[in-house]
Amino acid sequence: AQRVTQPEKLLSVFKGAPVELKCNYSYSGSPELFWYVQYSRQRLQLLLRHISRESIKGFTADLNKGETSFHLKKPFAQEEDSAMYYCVLNTGKLIFGQGTTLQVKP
Amino acid sequence: NAGVTQTPKFQVLKTGQSMTLQCAQDMNHEYMSWYRQDPGMGLRLIHYSVGAGITDQGEVPNGYNVSRSTTEDFPLRLLSAAPSQTSVYFCATTQDGTSSYNSPLHFGNGTRLTVT
Repeated sequence: AQRVTQPEKLLSVFKGAPVELKCNYSYSGSPELFWYVQYSRQRLQLLLRHISRESIKGFTADLNKGETSFHLKKPFAQEEDSAMYYCVLNTGKLIFGQGTTLQVKP
Repeated sequence: NAGVTQTPKFQVLKTGQSMTLQCAQDMNHEYMSWYRQDPGMGLRLIHYSVGAGITDQGEVPNGYNVSRSTTEDFPLRLLSAAPSQTSVYFCATTQDGTSSYNSPLHFGNGTRLTVT
């Protein structure tokens, strides 16, 4: 089955602390993975793509095919990072995880 | 360039009523899709289309119909609304068919639907 699992509904950290939002996927093909973010009162938007190995707003995500994971990390969280984060798998159609709300406290 | 436009923004229906949620895009994107967003469930794919005249089912298609007669429009129809269809609905499009390597999903602002 094609599935994306984000085990944490809510992740709450203090400003300056490291952040890791977990994502695991189930897919028999070669995965194409993304992280999307929804800030308060804004549209969902792409944060980063695994193929680019990019760092956006200090966030990085590494694809681990052995563990079928694509965790999102940031070494020092900022209050403006507070948002809903979705891990997305492209199998020909785009499948979203359940989402994790990141709350960064001052 | 308006991007993805969804109408209406809010809608209240009684059980059994029908309605159509509109989605229009002006970016000449081939791929269009509908998601519903429910607490604790994330976004679930309802239907999608890889081009005019082509539609396919997503994860939760029951109770919904779609058509794609033009590249620009992808309406979602509820034939007989049920309380379980109370949700926030998002339309999303990409440029390169189903590939998002070079073209991220563009989302509409959403339609908040309540069925009583």
